[in-house]
Amino acid sequence: ELKVEQNPLFLSMQEGKNYTIYCNYSTTSDRLYWYRQDPGKSLESLFVLLSNGAVKQEGRLMASLDTKARLSTLHITAAVHDLSATYFCAVAPTNKLIFGTGTLLAVQP
Amino acid sequence: NAGVMQNPRHLVRRRGQEARLRCSPMKGHSHVYWYRQLPEEGLKFMVYLQKENIIDESGMPKERFSAEFPKEGPSILRIQQVVRGDSAAYFCASSPLAGGLQDTQYFGPGTRLTVL
Repeated sequence: ELKVEQNPLFLSMQEGKNYTIYCNYSTTSDRLYWYRQDPGKSLESLFVLLSNGAVKQEGRLMASLDTKARLSTLHITAAVHDLSATYFCAVAPTNKLIFGTGTLLAVQP
Repeated sequence: NAGVMQNPRHLVRRRGQEARLRCSPMKGHSHVYWYRQLPEEGLKFMVYLQKENIIDESGMPKERFSAEFPKEGPSILRIQQVVRGDSAAYFCASSPLAGGLQDTQYFGPGTRLTVL
């Protein structure tokens, strides 16, 4: 059974600090996605990573992919309150997305 | 270009009633996916459809759930004889391509179903 695991499940961090969310998956996938979800809202696409070693950055978020280790990371730099949300990674070994468990990020002032 | 549209946004049903959830994909998208998010959990794939065809329904419960994407009109997720365990947020996503490396699924706002 394909598994996608994220850790930590919950992250409370102070503004200005850096941290990394990890996403491990158990089968090969040529694509890995990161999504953001605010409470009661839909999912917003953040990054699509397509190849080994891919790195993408948008603002304070940077995502990377290591297909050999089956690991993706989402790094947060100098967190701000606006980044508080739940972050999901997802892989697509076929057409459907298999989501990770999600990481609830709470940035404290 | 309007995004993925879903209606209703909130739906309340009593046990035993039917729920119909609608999804209109983004303009130019011909692939529709339905996902379910139970409280405090991640999204789980239910079904993948193209126009008039069900491509993958491996995530659909065997009973009471059905989906369609007719030639004209929105995709419909239908839940018959709802039970309390069906209470969840149901998200629809659409994409222009299936399996393309640049393909991204764009999500609608979701329908939050509450079964009393």
